[in-house]
Amino acid sequence: EVQLLEFGGGLVQPGGSLRLSCAASGFSFNSFAMSWVRQAPGKGLEWVSAIIGGGGSTYYADSVKGRFTISRDNSKNTLYLQMHSLRAEDTAIYYCGKDSGSFPYDAFDIWGQGTMVTVSS
Amino acid sequence: SYVLTQPPSVSVAPGKTARITCGGNNIGSKSVHWYQQRPSQAPVLVIYYDNDRPSGIPERFSGSSSGNTATLTISRVEAGDEADYYCQVWDSSSDQGVFGGGTKLTVL
Repeated sequence: EVQLLEFGGGLVQPGGSLRLSCAASGFSFNSFAMSWVRQAPGKGLEWVSAIIGGGGSTYYADSVKGRFTISRDNSKNTLYLQMHSLRAEDTAIYYCGKDSGSFPYDAFDIWGQGTMVTVSS
Repeated sequence: SYVLTQPPSVSVAPGKTARITCGGNNIGSKSVHWYQQRPSQAPVLVIYYDNDRPSGIPERFSGSSSGNTATLTISRVEAGDEADYYCQVWDSSSDQGVFGGGTKLTVL
């Protein structure tokens, strides 16, 4: 069964850091681009970041550029999102998504269940 | 940056046809994907590349895209179709993903 499972969410103070993980199973992880998408409470979906299958190219939304870093360990079938300088507006459910191709312009055909990040003092 | 515009809400009676639009500059030249999100659940892909359906998605779901508007059409609407729907594209000029604001479909 194809599955994505996110870890690492929690409560963090403004200015703090957090690392999210997404464990993948049931497919050839290194063959597909992966993305992070977030959803603030009561709001819509917001694309955050993407990384190609081989990990050589990364992409970021303007709202997180310079603060967040996406990476992947294909030997561990795991996607990461390192978040620094967190702000209240980063509070959201963070979903990892599998792209249907090796580049991020394809659709997200599999989603994790999400992990909640709350930035508050 | 590229902007996708969706109506906040659409209402339809059971058995009728719902059409949810997604507006964007020359969106017809891009590949449009659609997602369904039920309350407290992760999104689910229902249409990709404008009008392809993943396995397991009913034929009642279809899509089209031309000019500045893409449309998700749900025929013979059922109560279980009540959800939020999001369109999404990849903006190659900025190398960023973009989601529409979402449309809440209410089945009357």
